[in-house]
Parts: sequence; structure tokens; C-alpha cells
Amino acid sequence: NAGVTQTPKFRILKIGQSMTLQCTQDMNHNYMYWYRQDPGMGLKLIYYSVGAGITDKGEVPNGYNVSRSTTEDFPLRLELAAPSQTSVYFCASSYAPRGNTEAFFGQGTRLTVV
Amino acid sequence: DQQVKQNSPSLSVQEGRISILNCDYTNSMFDYFLWYKKYPAEGPTFLISISSIKDKNEDGRFTVFLNKSAKHLSLHIVPSQPGDSAVYFCAASPTGTASKLTFGTGTRLQVML
Repeated sequence: NAGVTQTPKFRILKIGQSMTLQCTQDMNHNYMYWYRQDPGMGLKLIYYSVGAGITDKGEVPNGYNVSRSTTEDFPLRLELAAPSQTSVYFCASSYAPRGNTEAFFGQGTRLTVV
Repeated sequence: DQQVKQNSPSLSVQEGRISILNCDYTNSMFDYFLWYKKYPAEGPTFLISISSIKDKNEDGRFTVFLNKSAKHLSLHIVPSQPGDSAVYFCAASPTGTASKLTFGTGTRLQVML
């Protein structure tokens, strides 16, 4: 049982480049999330999805885009990478929207923009 | 504006003793609280949670206490073990939203032999 899988684990981007962070889950969860964690900080919500075809902004959505064409996949797109997007990105999924069902996290993608 | 605060960046405890990690929140709409544990180079893993209708939840060595009037919660680990050494994040979720968790900045726990 793989859970939540993120690829790649590490990536270095040049300023202005674009990339897609991949996230897939095999638990048939409806809810999926993207968080970023900056050094010494907590995780901040970028985007989330409550089901295929439905996405919404979180706390820090600027500079990112998402799509949810299937239940399993929730890719995060960076169009014009900036140094401020250097961070560790975590994808998560949960069965129910309420906090009484915990979110399962992937291992993270460490992104450096130079 | 940090709505969930963990004011202790680090904590060191002897093996076998109690570890107490604290968390304060400011948003009165938060009604569900979770603790996550994170090892280096891994994603956070769920540890324990508590609803605002309770003031205590226990799971083995882990107990979470909630004081709503003080907007404060704490995680107790008894007895502490070396494998508990990790970063612990407090998180909160407000009423009626799609589990949009707000995280604290974390407390690094080191359990010494």
C-alpha cells in the first residue's frame, strides 16, 4: 500500500523555469492538499481539492496552479519559478473533509530555485 | 498573523520521563486539533487528535489535553522513548471547512538516553 507518492524528491530550478510536482494517492481519498514548508515554519496550504474537477485556493496560492482530473492525481504546477518558491512541498490526502479523519502526507519534494 | 503557535522550538527530555509539548491558538473558530510527528526527510504522520467537545484524548503513551477557555492544548508523552525524537506539529481545523489545517511552527523533541 503506497499511500501518497510524490515525485520528484529533489529538484533545482532556474528562475523563470516551470515544472510540475506530481502527487498520486491509492487510498481512494476525495480530498487532496498541497502544502509548503519553509525553514523554521509550519506547513502552509497552497491549494486543495474536494474531488475530481474541483479545486480551491488555500492560504498561499500565488505562483501556483493545480488540476484534479482524476481521484488519484493532484499535480502542482509552477509556471515562472522564483527564489521565494524555494521550499519543501508536501502533498496530502484525506477521506473526509473534517479534521476527525487525519490527512496522510507524502514524503515531500525539496525544491530550490536559483 | 500566526493563528497556531508553538512557542518552544525545542525540548530535551530524558528517556523514561514525561515530554510535554504546548500549543496555543487564537482563532475561536478552530474546533478540531491534531498533532503530527515528523522525522527528517519524511512527511508528517498523524499522531493524535481531539475535538473541541472533549478536553482529553488518550492513545497509549500519548495524551492530548485541550483547554478551550485558554485556547491551549498540550501533548503528553509518557514514558518518552528515543524513537520519539522528532519534530511535533500542532494543527487546527475550523468548523465547516474542508480540513484546511493551520499548522504551528513545530517543536523539536530530543529524547536522551
